[in-house]
Amino acid sequence: GQSLEQPSEVTAVEGAIVQINCTYQTSGFYGLSWYQQHDGGAPTFLSYNGLDGLEETGRFSSFLSRSDSYGYLLLQELQMKDSASYFCAGPNQAGTALIFGKGTTLSVSS
Amino acid sequence: DTAVSQTPKYLVTQMGNDKSIKCEQNLGHDTMYWYKQDSKKFLKIMFSYNNKELIINETVPNRFSPKSPDKAHLNLHINSLELGDSAVYFCASSQSGRATGANVLTFGAGSRLTVL
Repeated sequence: GQSLEQPSEVTAVEGAIVQINCTYQTSGFYGLSWYQQHDGGAPTFLSYNGLDGLEETGRFSSFLSRSDSYGYLLLQELQMKDSASYFCAGPNQAGTALIFGKGTTLSVSS
Repeated sequence: DTAVSQTPKYLVTQMGNDKSIKCEQNLGHDTMYWYKQDSKKFLKIMFSYNNKELIINETVPNRFSPKSPDKAHLNLHINSLELGDSAVYFCASSQSGRATGANVLTFGAGSRLTVL
């Protein structure tokens, strides 16, 4: 079946760089997305990789290697407000909805 | 102007009751979804509607029934509530039903259901 695996927790300090990895097993692959969710909030879209390589959006970058079924989210110059859960997501088998990894909780300390 | 709005935000009820959660989007999107997020934050797709047609229905008990009067609304009705139904339910919408990552999901704020 479709599945996306990511670490459950990551901790870092302000100003640091952290990488959140995601490996996936999906058929009919259409790209990897990343969503951020703060406690008590809704998931919000961060980035999408449809092709191999790096996509950069400000302090956040996302990378995809389709041959390795692997991607990552890179967060630079970490701030306290980056403390949140981060989900990688990909299409379900029918290509009709996104399915999500179990999420990585990032804790940023000062 | 809330893009995806869902009500109520909090719902506390007894086992065996029937409840509904409403969702509306003003983005002009063609597809709407319901996701369930459990206490471990696992987001699981429940339903999606595209142009008023149910296009997926994951392994969800038939006590859950989505109702879409038009493409801007997708309500979730739950019969005979059980303890395990306690979760946060998120409504979402996207431009089309094609699940590429480029088809960005916009989520509502969530409805926290507690079954006692």
